[in-house]
Amino acid sequence: SQQGEEDPQALSIQEGENATMNCSYKTSINNLQWYRQNSGRGLVHLILIRSNEREKHSGRLRVTLDTSKKSSSLLITASRAADTASYFCATRDNFNKFYFGSGTKLNVKP
Amino acid sequence: GEEVAQTPKHLVRGEGQKAKLYCAPIKGHSYVFWYQQVLKNEFKFLISFQNENVFDETGMPKERFSAKCLPNSPCSLEIQATKLEDSAVYFCASSQSSANYGYTFGSGTRLTVV
Repeated sequence: SQQGEEDPQALSIQEGENATMNCSYKTSINNLQWYRQNSGRGLVHLILIRSNEREKHSGRLRVTLDTSKKSSSLLITASRAADTASYFCATRDNFNKFYFGSGTKLNVKP
Repeated sequence: GEEVAQTPKHLVRGEGQKAKLYCAPIKGHSYVFWYQQVLKNEFKFLISFQNENVFDETGMPKERFSAKCLPNSPCSLEIQATKLEDSAVYFCASSQSSANYGYTFGSGTRLTVV
């Protein structure tokens, strides 16, 4: 991808379990964002974490950022079938350029 | 409005025909971005605008692709002489000027070149 990779590429879990997705990037960033994309639909912004932040929470979402390792993780706790979607990380650099990772396809089985 | 409106939702063109896609960003958002998403899910950056000025066009295939964001008009992305490999979903997004904000994406235009 233009900026980084996400792993795993696909993840299948049971409802109620936690899902963790990781994202690595290549350049210095201003912020990192996570998006969800349901099949055939546009992207929905989930959460933004700035480069000087290490952890952020929003409902069942927890995002961490390690700028020394150029990586981030998204944790979805107590997953639901409705969480089934593709999840993308995106980084915004100091020149206002925006790059997407390759995405993780999450399948939550009821 | 509070959503990015993209039209049309679907567009089918014969190879060699022209395709024109439209995007109305959220009022007050000064940045507009176009991305191309092909089947393997990767988002390819095409071009960005700051108001009506091209901000970054490093992703644009310049021979056949062009884009505009004129005042008081929807932004547009035009593909001259479409090719089969142009088949993709084209997403537009807009953003406030500060880097502390995320993008708001439209629901995309699915272009199929046959």
